[in-house]
Amino acid sequence: QVQLVESGGDLVNPGGSLRLSCAATGFTFSDYYMTWIRQAPGKGLEWVSYISTSSRTIYYADSVKGRFSISRDNAKSSLFLQMNSLRAEDTAMYYCALGSGVLAFDVWGQGTVVTVSS
Amino acid sequence: EIVMTQSPATLSVSPGERATLSCRASQSVSSNLAWYQQKPGQAPRLLIYRTSSRATGIPARFSGSGSGTEFTLTISSLQSEDFAVYYCQQHDNWPLTFGGGTKVEIK
Repeated sequence: QVQLVESGGDLVNPGGSLRLSCAATGFTFSDYYMTWIRQAPGKGLEWVSYISTSSRTIYYADSVKGRFSISRDNAKSSLFLQMNSLRAEDTAMYYCALGSGVLAFDVWGQGTVVTVSS
Repeated sequence: EIVMTQSPATLSVSPGERATLSCRASQSVSSNLAWYQQKPGQAPRLLIYRTSSRATGIPARFSGSGSGTEFTLTISSLQSEDFAVYYCQQHDNWPLTFGGGTKVEIK
């Protein structure tokens, strides 16, 4: 059974850092591109970052560029999001997701909550 | 950045009726448009990709159409489990962008 499980969400002060993880099971992780998508409370979906299978290609939304860093460990079937210089507007549920072929996402985790507040 | 605009924001429909949701892109995304359904407390679920291809396990009552900048999601006969928020997403250009959502509620 294909499954993604996020962890690492927490309450953090503005300017702080956090590292999110996404553990993948039930499929060959190294065969799939991965992405992070977030959703602020009561708001819509916002794509955050993408990483290709080999980590050779990485993209970020402008809102997080220079502050967030995506990475993956194919040997451990894990995806990461290092979040630095956090702001109140980064408060959201963070989902990891994957797709095959086109850049639409048919497998999602349950999400992990990040709250940036003093 | 391609801006995706969904309308209406809220759609009130009776069970068994047809629902038509619209999504407009600020520039052409060819046929690279996806639709998601999200229920409260749940992650989104992919319904449609490439405008009209249904994802695995999605019932035939969900259909998508359009091209370029204008797209439509049609739910032919609303079931109780279809009342949710629906998002469109263009998968043509970086950054990937989502519409603001349409809430389908019970009339």
